Amino acid sequence: EDQVTQSPEALRLQEGESSSLNCSYTVSGLRGLFWYRQDPGKGPEFLFTLYSAGEEKEKERLKATLTKKESFLHITAPKPEDSATYLCAVRSNMNYGGATNKLIFGTGTLLAVQP
Amino acid sequence: NAGVTQTPKFRVLKTGQSMTLLCAQDMNHEYMYWYRQDPGMGLRLIHYSVGEGTTAKGEVPDGYNVSRLKKQNFLLGLESAAPSQTSVYFCASSMGTRGQAFFGQGTRLTVV
Repeated sequence: EDQVTQSPEALRLQEGESSSLNCSYTVSGLRGLFWYRQDPGKGPEFLFTLYSAGEEKEKERLKATLTKKESFLHITAPKPEDSATYLCAVRSNMNYGGATNKLIFGTGTLLAVQP
Repeated sequence: NAGVTQTPKFRVLKTGQSMTLLCAQDMNHEYMYWYRQDPGMGLRLIHYSVGEGTTAKGEVPDGYNVSRLKKQNFLLGLESAAPSQTSVYFCASSMGTRGQAFFGQGTRLTVV
């Protein structure tokens, strides 16, 4: 069964202290790995899509990388406004009784960046 | 750009009452989804639609029904609300099977 595990569950950083969030996955044929940011009381906001091992995407202080088993979201010199929950999701080839376009989400990493 | 709009944003129901959540998207997307988000459980797919007039069950469909009469709208119904349906509900849409999903702002539902 396809599965997504994110770690750590929560991370507290000082402003400027770089770190990485992990997303481990097991899927039957990866058709995309997605990173989202979710602020309290809001819907998830799309950040990146990665499709194949070795692929990297960057946006401001965020950089997402992908291997065959996991993805990392690297945060360089974070600022307080980067505080949010970061969600990872995968889409696979597996047919879930017809739900071939199912996005499987991890439970997220709650990031707090203190000034 | 409105994107994906959900109504209402908040609702309190009594056990046994019914209600309908409305999702509207203005991006001409074929695929639409309803998720629920609970602490420690992540986002779980309730029902989805791959086009106007089509619907299908997701991971946790029991107690919910959906309809997609118009391409831009996806309705989620609760016929007889239960406390276990207390959750935050998100609607999402995507163009196809490879692109990202765009989410609405969510509906916080409490069933007492």
